[in-house]
Amino acid sequence: SQELEQSPQSLIVQEGKNLTINCTSSKTLYGLYWYKQKYGEGLIFLMMLQKGGEEKSHEKITAKLDEKKQQSSLHITASQPSHAGIYLCGADGNRDDKIIFGKGTRLHILP
Amino acid sequence: EAQVTQNPRYLITVTGKKLTVTCSQNMNHEYMSWYRQDPGLGLRQIYYSMNVEVTDKGDVPEGYKVSRKEKRNFPLILESPSPNQTSLYFCASSPGTALEQYFGPGTRLTVT
Repeated sequence: SQELEQSPQSLIVQEGKNLTINCTSSKTLYGLYWYKQKYGEGLIFLMMLQKGGEEKSHEKITAKLDEKKQQSSLHITASQPSHAGIYLCGADGNRDDKIIFGKGTRLHILP
Repeated sequence: EAQVTQNPRYLITVTGKKLTVTCSQNMNHEYMSWYRQDPGLGLRQIYYSMNVEVTDKGDVPEGYKVSRKEKRNFPLILESPSPNQTSLYFCASSPGTALEQYFGPGTRLTVT
């Protein structure tokens, strides 16, 4: 079955620094989603990527999907305290309608 | 306001006592789903529904039941809860697969 592996599991960065979170799939991705979760709360959709080589940006967050559609990265530029939370990547299952998620990356921003 | 609501938000119960967690969305979405989130295991799909009267198992369906009699509602039923079902549960909906999901605020369930 398809699995999504996120790295790192946890990340602590100084405010203002850049950071990258990775999401790697064991199989070709048909749709890759990035969500943000504040601790104990629901998930908020950030971006969706579907095409190999696709890149999308929203404010200071940029997500990319590699050409082979097996790896995605989420990059935050000039991090702020509001970026703190858990970032999860999700994907559509292979040829079914299941949805799977990575285990998440906990991001802490130091003032 | 477009939203997914879940009730209750917090629930403490005892082993074996049947319970239902309700989920409702007001966006006329066809796809609805239930997840549980556990430390170290991440978010895992329990059941999903493509439309009314169409439900399918996710990755961890054991011990759960669902129904989709109306488009807006997708209740999660635990017939005989056990302590290993203590978790944070999320309901989500989307217009279809391969599209953005809208998540509810979560239900924190403790089974003693």
